[in-house]
Amino acid sequence: GAGVSQSPRYKVAKRGQDVALRCDPISGHVSLFWYQQALGQGPEFLTYFQNEAQLDKSGLPSDRFFAERPEGSVSTLKIQRTQQEDSAVYLCASSLVGTVNTEAFFGQGTRLTVV
Amino acid sequence: QKEVEQDPGPLSVPEGAIVSLNCTYSNSAFQYFMWYRQYSRKGPELLMYTYSSGNKEDGRFTAQVDKSSKYISLFIRDSQPSDSATYLCAMGFSGGYNKLIFGAGTRLAVHP
Repeated sequence: GAGVSQSPRYKVAKRGQDVALRCDPISGHVSLFWYQQALGQGPEFLTYFQNEAQLDKSGLPSDRFFAERPEGSVSTLKIQRTQQEDSAVYLCASSLVGTVNTEAFFGQGTRLTVV
Repeated sequence: QKEVEQDPGPLSVPEGAIVSLNCTYSNSAFQYFMWYRQYSRKGPELLMYTYSSGNKEDGRFTAQVDKSSKYISLFIRDSQPSDSATYLCAMGFSGGYNKLIFGAGTRLAVHP
């Protein structure tokens, strides 16, 4: 596809359930980012991949959050034992290279609601 | 105190008005400054990008950076109803990957 694709678009999870969110970056993009956007807030950095290597996971809020990109393309963000405070839009972005002066393209996000 | 502060609005203006959106920041290490536009239930899209103090113009949009005051602005001239969206400022560090620090976003409504 032409852009960053995320699935599912919407996910409702019961508290305590595990969820997996998928990101298909733009083909050939080396860098991939996950952000969390709470209602009425700006996106907050979660983690960064360069190819398959996770170079920064400093933004992951707890050890319940786990991300992977095993073949350097598709990435999955997994949240274990979901809590209500995990309710947010999870955005994935990719860029051709990782330098700050390279445009990052965002997907439409996955809206997670934990009930 | 957050590293990037942005008034959430909402801001409501008539069509044709000049809009001024602003962010302040506390970390002098920021070297790159961006403005993203986010329509409802969509991902952010890059509008403007600059790395130095001064003005940068692109069509109806002008981005302004004042590093001495740690203050950035986005001006929209001849605003249109299609400009109605949330505008996010974002900042990054030089020498590293493009991990962005975002403001909270300002909701803008342009009414006909």
